[in-house]
Amino acid sequence: DIVMTQSPDSLAVSLGERATINCKSSRSVLYSSNNKNYLAWYQQKPGQPPKLLISWASTRESGVPDRFSGSGSGTDFTLTISSLQAEDVAVYYCQQYYIAPLTFGQGTELEIK
Amino acid sequence: EVQLLESGGGLVQPGGSLRLSCAASGFTFRSYAMGWVRQAPGKGLEWVSRISGSGDTTKYADSVKGRFTISRDNSQNTLYLQMNSLRAEDTAIYYCAKYSAGPDTPFDYWGQGTLVTVSS
Repeated sequence: DIVMTQSPDSLAVSLGERATINCKSSRSVLYSSNNKNYLAWYQQKPGQPPKLLISWASTRESGVPDRFSGSGSGTDFTLTISSLQAEDVAVYYCQQYYIAPLTFGQGTELEIK
Repeated sequence: EVQLLESGGGLVQPGGSLRLSCAASGFTFRSYAMGWVRQAPGKGLEWVSRISGSGDTTKYADSVKGRFTISRDNSQNTLYLQMNSLRAEDTAIYYCAKYSAGPDTPFDYWGQGTLVTVSS
């Protein structure tokens, strides 16, 4: 199974500041035939299901604010929130969908400093 | 608008069974792979199972293989998860989720979840 490891486990950032969450996979999730990274980022607020923010490592879903961006390739990925807003308080998960079983990172809890 | 509505959760004794249902609407159900993802209280997300749009291909996490069965009724736009030989470690919120296309794509819609508690 591909192990997804996020860092840090928790993060406190001031409003308006940048938040950066890292995700590392135990093997590459880059499919060479189409040059796509099979990596997604989800946001989960308390009492709610996860919400897909970014797919293919860097494609923002419709309706997701442009302060959210994803980057990286192969085994190392980053979710960046350029200017933290109060509504961004949540747990963030990365997920690989390169191969079954799909696996998630352990989550990063983001809060306001 | 895509909607996924789970039902069937509850309290069950160890060794017991439950069947979860997920009623889907707002999209062409038969055209999409579907899955179940669970989340133990206060823990992270764990993929449980998936089924192709036609229902002819299924996959399971090792932790549930041989005990859980995923199925779908495309005439009723409903996804199921039959859970047998339940264990305490199966206690979790179970989410029904829609793949954005085939099974090698992310989940673009999730239900609100149904809580399964396995306890004596």
